[in-house]
Amino acid sequence: KQEVTQIPAALSVPEGENLVLNCSFTDSAIYNLQWFRQDPGKGLTSLLLIQSSQREQTSGRLNASLDKSSGRSTLYIAASQPGDSATYLCAVMDTGRRALTFGSGTRLQVQP
Amino acid sequence: NAGVTQTPKFQVLKTGQSMTLQCAQDMNHEYMSWYRQDPGMGLRLIHYSVGAGITDQGEVPNGYNVSRSTTEDFPLRLLSAAPSQTSVYFCASSYSRDRGLNTEAFFGQGTRLTVV
Repeated sequence: KQEVTQIPAALSVPEGENLVLNCSFTDSAIYNLQWFRQDPGKGLTSLLLIQSSQREQTSGRLNASLDKSSGRSTLYIAASQPGDSATYLCAVMDTGRRALTFGSGTRLQVQP
Repeated sequence: NAGVTQTPKFQVLKTGQSMTLQCAQDMNHEYMSWYRQDPGMGLRLIHYSVGAGITDQGEVPNGYNVSRSTTEDFPLRLLSAAPSQTSVYFCASSYSRDRGLNTEAFFGQGTRLTVV
């Protein structure tokens, strides 16, 4: 059974810092990995999708990498802003299933 | 662009009542799924569907039923509500991986359910 872990559970940084959020998964037989953002009381917004054959994806100040063999992904946020404050969720779709397995998320607070 | 639409946004039920959470998508996605989100536990898969007429169980299916009679709709039924089903419910959809299209998952805004 796939298990997804996100470290740290919470993170507080001053504005302007570069930061890395970590995601690990136990079964490397994944189809894709997706990073989401969730604001309090809101739904999930997709940030980046990485197919299993890819090593990284970039969107603006965000860069996500994938090392399938070691079961790890990182989300890099450059020059953090208070508007980046949210919970970030990592989810994988296994090759044998057509739905996502989620980590518990990292709650990020960027201090002005 | 409506995307994934969930109704209602909020609901309070009494123990033992039944209800249906609605989910509709207008992107012609084959895959649809239901998750529940509890504090500190992330999202857990309840049921999912790979196309009309095809459904399967996820990790926490007990107490819930689903059906998929059309591509667009995937309702979740609570048969006899229990306080343990108090949660936020999310519906998601994506293209089938067999079509070779982007399989990015899109989520609705959620239904916050309280069972008293």
